[in-house]
Amino acid sequence: EDQVTQSPEALRLQEGESSSLNCSYTVSGLRGLFWYRQDPGKGPEFLFTLYSAGEEKEKERLKATLTKKESFLHITAPKPEDSATYLCAVRRGRDDKIIFGKGTRLHILP
Amino acid sequence: NAGVTQTPKFRILKIGQSMTLQCTQDMNHNYMYWYRQDPGMGLKLIYYSVGAGITDKGEVPNGYNVSRSTTEDFPLRLELAAPSQTSVYFCASSLGAGQRNTEAFFGQGTRLTVV
Repeated sequence: EDQVTQSPEALRLQEGESSSLNCSYTVSGLRGLFWYRQDPGKGPEFLFTLYSAGEEKEKERLKATLTKKESFLHITAPKPEDSATYLCAVRRGRDDKIIFGKGTRLHILP
Repeated sequence: NAGVTQTPKFRILKIGQSMTLQCTQDMNHNYMYWYRQDPGMGLKLIYYSVGAGITDKGEVPNGYNVSRSTTEDFPLRLELAAPSQTSVYFCASSLGAGQRNTEAFFGQGTRLTVV
């Protein structure tokens, strides 16, 4: 069965303490892996798309990487405003459905 | 560009009532989606559409119906509301998978409570 698993479920970091969020996936015919940020009471906000193993994307303190089985979202020297839930999703090749993981709740302490 | 617009933002329904959640996009995207999000959970796909006149079921379609008569609009219909349908509903749109930028863009959500 196709699925997306994110870990950890929740993560608390001190401001400036770098870390990584994991997204492992099993899907037939990957047509894109997506990272989103979601703030409380808001819709998911698009961050990155990765299409093939070895691809990397960066935006400010965030860097997303992709292998054949998982993706990492690296957060370098985070600030309190980086606190949010980060969602990973994949587009499945056989029917173009986009399947989401449960997300990682990130809390950055000042 | 307004992006993806959902209405209403909040709604309280009584058990057995019906309602339609509206979703419209102005990005000329051919793909549109409806998801629900329960507390502490990710997004579950209800229905999606790859173009006007074409819809398909997602992971949790029971109790819902959709139609897609135009590229811009993708309404979600709840016929007989049940407490299990209390959730936050998100509509999204994207380009088709044959194109380079296939990420989905989301509306701000409709918070629905069934009592």
